[in-house]
Amino acid sequence: EVQLVQSGAEVRKPGESLKISCKGSGYSFTTYWTGWVRQMPGKGLEWMGIIYPGDSDTRYSPSFQGQVTISADKSISTTYLQWSSLKASDTAMYYCTRRGNSDADYWGQGTLVTVSS
Amino acid sequence: QSVLTQPPSVSGAPGQRVTISCTGSSSNIGAGYDVHWYQQLPGTAPKLLMYSNSNRPSGVPDRFSGSKSGTSASLAITGLQAEDEADYYCQSYDSSLSGSVFGGGTKLTVL
Repeated sequence: EVQLVQSGAEVRKPGESLKISCKGSGYSFTTYWTGWVRQMPGKGLEWMGIIYPGDSDTRYSPSFQGQVTISADKSISTTYLQWSSLKASDTAMYYCTRRGNSDADYWGQGTLVTVSS
Repeated sequence: QSVLTQPPSVSGAPGQRVTISCTGSSSNIGAGYDVHWYQQLPGTAPKLLMYSNSNRPSGVPDRFSGSKSGTSASLAITGLQAEDEADYYCQSYDSSLSGSVFGGGTKLTVL
């Protein structure tokens, strides 16, 4: 069974750094792209970017380029989304996804990130 | 403003048929890129509902169907049920942005 399990909710202050994770199981982790999707409170889905864990080839949406970093550690089947300096506007639910039949055929349960002073 | 345009809301009575449109442009749907649909039930993660325009993943009832023509796509739901009340999103690839894009989402209310 394909599963994407994300790390737990986080609360940070503006300016702090953060790295959240997504562990894949039940499939060949290195041969499927893994993506990240943002959902701000009460809003729609936004595609952030995607990584191929096999060689770490990474693509970003223009809206998120330079704002976040996507990485992967294929030895532990985990992808990451990180911020170097959080803003209040980064408060959102973040989902990891697997690209299979569609850009997101499987979804993680979501990680809620709250940035507040 | 989303690259793919969906109606903010649609509604229907139990048993009725509703459709949700997804309008794009020549750099995404019109360029031949596939459209996928996701269902997000209240308080849960989105789930793949339809892939590559008209294909249902295993477990999705055949009450759901998808189509694509020109620069638009549609999701149809027949025999509407209370459990269908959710937000629905379309997604495609956009060559101008070199990445995937979502529609703004449509809230389906079952009256």
